[in-house]
Amino acid sequence: GAVVSQHPSWVICKSGTSVKIECRSLDFQATTMFWYRQFPKQSLMLMATSNEGSKATYEQGVEKDKFLINHASLTLSTLTVTSAHPEDSSFYICSTKGIQDKEALNTEAFFGQGTRLTVV
Amino acid sequence: EDKVVQSPLSLVVHEGDTVTLNCSYEVTNFRSLLWYKQEKKAPTFLFMLTSSGIEKKSGRLSSILDKKELFSILNITATQTGDSAVYLCAGIRGTYKYIFGTGTRLKVLA
Repeated sequence: GAVVSQHPSWVICKSGTSVKIECRSLDFQATTMFWYRQFPKQSLMLMATSNEGSKATYEQGVEKDKFLINHASLTLSTLTVTSAHPEDSSFYICSTKGIQDKEALNTEAFFGQGTRLTVV
Repeated sequence: EDKVVQSPLSLVVHEGDTVTLNCSYEVTNFRSLLWYKQEKKAPTFLFMLTSSGIEKKSGRLSSILDKKELFSILNITATQTGDSAVYLCAGIRGTYKYIFGTGTRLKVLA
């Protein structure tokens, strides 16, 4: 399967600061990347869909000004948590499907390793 | 509203037992259902099910989809401690939107 690299794997930051998480597709071009958040013992909740060269599409209830997504190239999408608060502490994970699957109706998602964010 | 419901929420078994995990779904424009295993970090892919009634197998794991009744099951036979994980199912809506269930937390005791 495709390789998706997410960095950092964990980060601790102070309240009020911003944190940037990177998601890279290493061996294919990803036109679309997805950002999920997972709270302890809960499932993956889609936050936003990021499309290369255009604005991200946010799910209902996700603040676009707080969770800034940039997908400037076919191999990199970034999620910036701005003015982080303790309640933003969570496990953030990205996933993607490759450009070669653009027309495919059925394909599994490839996940990054995830980033555990702790805001103190 | 789309939803994927898994049961049980958690399960504790002993090595060698067989377990069945359930996943029911209501997903508009449903395409496929996927099963993932999540240990400490990223989910790892297990199965993708698109057609009803066709069992997929991988070693001790197998899964099947019922598109009429809108559910899927994941079976694990002869469980091992390494099977301890959270098992997630997800329905694909449209071309690529994944709706995840809450997961079943499986613990296999030695």
